[in-house]
Amino acid sequence: DSGVTQTPKHLITATGQRVTLRCSPRSGDLSVYWYQQSLDQGLQFLIQYYNGEERAKGNILERFSAQQFPDLHSELNLSSLELGDSALYFCASSVEGSPYEQYFGPGTRLTVT
Amino acid sequence: LAKTTQPISMDSYEGQEVNITCSHNNIATNDYITWYQQFPSQGPRFIIQGYKTKVTNEVASLFIPADRKSSTLSLPRVSLSDTAVYYCLVGDWGNAGNMLTFGGGTRLMVKP
Repeated sequence: DSGVTQTPKHLITATGQRVTLRCSPRSGDLSVYWYQQSLDQGLQFLIQYYNGEERAKGNILERFSAQQFPDLHSELNLSSLELGDSALYFCASSVEGSPYEQYFGPGTRLTVT
Repeated sequence: LAKTTQPISMDSYEGQEVNITCSHNNIATNDYITWYQQFPSQGPRFIIQGYKTKVTNEVASLFIPADRKSSTLSLPRVSLSDTAVYYCLVGDWGNAGNMLTFGGGTRLMVKP
């Protein structure tokens, strides 16, 4: 158990819909990262937040957005969903000063039908 | 970010030592080398990190030659539960952003 929690575990929705994935980092970790893992693209970094502020952006689509709240939990919003958005979405957190050592949550498996 | 090259897959047997080598010819002076392990449908797990020479922890050892153009992850006496994908990552996580850039990884299969 990494200490990072993600909900829901599974999500099945239809094309065109919008969903919200939730992540709670390990106690004390200020950084939250979102990654997408699909069969054809592998593990891809989406976005990072640090203490409520966006710090780095990766290959995140404009249809996707995220935020980190004052209690440090984060939400990833995916809208206008397409079949290709079906993937495992991981959240990770890290200790200040050790960004290379990230602790990953169990992931949310999103299936778009 | 330095590009990494590692074998797509490896097979081993229980009790053997496994060495997975990663090439990173364009590694920069400030880059560190980090390895992660991932089981199916689980998030990656940090294994070990190093800059040069040898680093050892309770799980693995990391060997880095003087030119730092490659590194070798050594798993002593593997068991069936070590079957996983192993990722080699290279980056300057202090200055170049904190994201992890994962390549294809090495799929290790441990057989009884």
